[in-house]
Amino acid sequence: QQPVQSPQAVILREGEDAVINCSSSKALYSVHWYRQKHGEAPVFLMILLKGGEQKGHEKISASFNEKKQQSSLYLTASQLSYSGTYFCGTITGTASKLTFGTGTRLQVTL
Amino acid sequence: DAGVIQSPRHEVTEMGQEVTLRCKPISGHDYLFWYRQTMMRGLELLIYFNNNVPIDDSGMPEDRFSAKMPNASFSTLKIQPSEPRDSAVYFCASSLASGRSNEQFFGPGTRLTVL
Repeated sequence: QQPVQSPQAVILREGEDAVINCSSSKALYSVHWYRQKHGEAPVFLMILLKGGEQKGHEKISASFNEKKQQSSLYLTASQLSYSGTYFCGTITGTASKLTFGTGTRLQVTL
Repeated sequence: DAGVIQSPRHEVTEMGQEVTLRCKPISGHDYLFWYRQTMMRGLELLIYFNNNVPIDDSGMPEDRFSAKMPNASFSTLKIQPSEPRDSAVYFCASSLASGRSNEQFFGPGTRLTVL
């Protein structure tokens, strides 16, 4: 089942902060975050693993609440380059199947 | 490394024709994934391979879709016969061993239009 992201869209001024949430109905092994710019492929941002390990971008942070089966991506001091659609992807069980969320469209303006 | 390579980048075909999409994963990556992206359905996993063996094809929409990975450096996704509802962007991605905890590297995608 597809994880649910919120908000669906957000508009920020440069320098403002944003939080994107990802919620799953299933127990999670890991949560993956990707950003996709218009007309391009998704690009990896971060992985959060069960147990607290994180891999990814130095300037972007995220949290993973295993009990609530939720993850949040924190974008601080946003830059114009942060614009794009953000997807969370979840992995449950023992498989390597990544199920992507509905996406959050982020636009950063001057 | 050149990254994941996909061809063609754009494909326009008529309903009923066979379509073959191609993918070359990053050398050394054990996992290969095929995704389809549409406005309505988002980014969906169609099938993935581990060491050239199909592991999960539950996302393949119909028997019209088939995928193969004859060796570690090449995979194909075939649609026969194609239908207008197959129009989408198809991405191939690869990752290192343990796709569960490693990032996936996406290719540039193939934009398929079926008339």
